[in-house]
Amino acid sequence: SQQGEEDPQALSIQEGENATMNCSYKTSINNLQWYRQNSGRGLVHLILIRSNEREKHSGRLRVTLDTSKKSSSLLITASRAADTASYFCATDSGNNRLAFGKGNQVVVIP
Amino acid sequence: GAVVSQHPSWVICKSGTSVKIECRSLDFQATTMFWYRQFPKQSLMLMATSNEGSKATYEQGVEKDKFLINHASLTLSTLTVTSAHPEDSSFYICSARTLHEQFFGPGTRLTVL
Repeated sequence: SQQGEEDPQALSIQEGENATMNCSYKTSINNLQWYRQNSGRGLVHLILIRSNEREKHSGRLRVTLDTSKKSSSLLITASRAADTASYFCATDSGNNRLAFGKGNQVVVIP
Repeated sequence: GAVVSQHPSWVICKSGTSVKIECRSLDFQATTMFWYRQFPKQSLMLMATSNEGSKATYEQGVEKDKFLINHASLTLSTLTVTSAHPEDSSFYICSARTLHEQFFGPGTRLTVL
């Protein structure tokens, strides 16, 4: 069964705006990871946040983790057309496998 | 970063035939490899986990006799879809894991006519 589950949103935003997407999960985790997938392509690892971390930044990406609510958010600031993709969260519960959420489709309009 | 390749990137086959997909870790040795399946506009579903030299562990609902996995070395795993049917058409993604990180291949698009 899927561990991480994003709100089933399809975001359509203007270039330059911020995009926020959420992920919720059900059991305890070691870490949570966010991936990007362009249409018909493989996954690109974006960022990993450990269970003892609350916030992490990487370039224009900001990830938060709330283990009490079992949720995470991914914020992309100053979006670009090239950010158009599907974004997945995946949880690592220490059982040597990642469980993926449903994904968020983001479309950035130039 | 580490690179995982898949071959072929796409394949079209007739119903009833078998298709083999290769997954290679190009510049590292993977302790574990994973095979995922992804239907259009859906998430990745783990099919099986394989460790070099041992039998693969299949997820519930995945037929091991239909999806044959061979993990011959620390850099190569193969997935064979036997007697493929149109409902097996999907995007198959492999992943290779080191002690600390997991890397994904570019995927193989399988279309069964």
